Amino acid sequence: AQSVTQPDIHITVSEGASLELRCNYSYGATPYLFWYVQSPGQGLQLLLKYFSGDTLVQGIKGFEAEFKRSQSSFNLRKPSVHWSDAAEYFCALKAAGNKLTFGGGTRVLVKP
Amino acid sequence: GAVVSQHPSWVICKSGTSVKIECRSLDFQATTMFWYRQFPKQSLMLMATSNEGSKATYEQGVEKDKFLINHASLTLSTLTVTSAHPEDSSFYICSARTKQAATGSYNEQFFGPGTRLTVL
Repeated sequence: AQSVTQPDIHITVSEGASLELRCNYSYGATPYLFWYVQSPGQGLQLLLKYFSGDTLVQGIKGFEAEFKRSQSSFNLRKPSVHWSDAAEYFCALKAAGNKLTFGGGTRVLVKP
Repeated sequence: GAVVSQHPSWVICKSGTSVKIECRSLDFQATTMFWYRQFPKQSLMLMATSNEGSKATYEQGVEKDKFLINHASLTLSTLTVTSAHPEDSSFYICSARTKQAATGSYNEQFFGPGTRLTVL
């Protein structure tokens, strides 16, 4: 069965510092992978997705993610965080039937 | 484009009553809608997959008689929590997906803003 693991439950970063959120997956086929962001009390917004091709994917709000098949990882990065980046981030994998399996989420706190 | 709305955004009800939550795709036709449940500080758990005009497919452990799902049109799916109890209090999120363009292709899911249900 497929699974997604986000090892870090929360991360605190200073505004302007770089951010990296880890995501590891387990899936028997070529994965379709996603990163979503959720602000408090809100739904999910898609940041970026990987289906195939270039393993470095650019997304919205200055985020990027790199797919590494050998490490079963799809880590999200941002070079310089803004206070508005404080939110919950979810990594997800598309499984059979177009269902999404989500990781546990990483809460990002941004210090001024 | 690709906007999904949910109504209400929050609801408070008494134990034993039923609550209906609507999920609408505003600018596209959604052949498939998904219902998720999210407990505080936890991830989203898929409850059921709803295809227009057919019965919903529930995930293991989800009571279909407790959580009634109707997908009567290509733009509307409803989730009814019947005889709600405090343990049903949660954040319910729907997502909608357009018709698959070709076999093996993937159409993105678009998420609604969520509905917070509090059962007293």
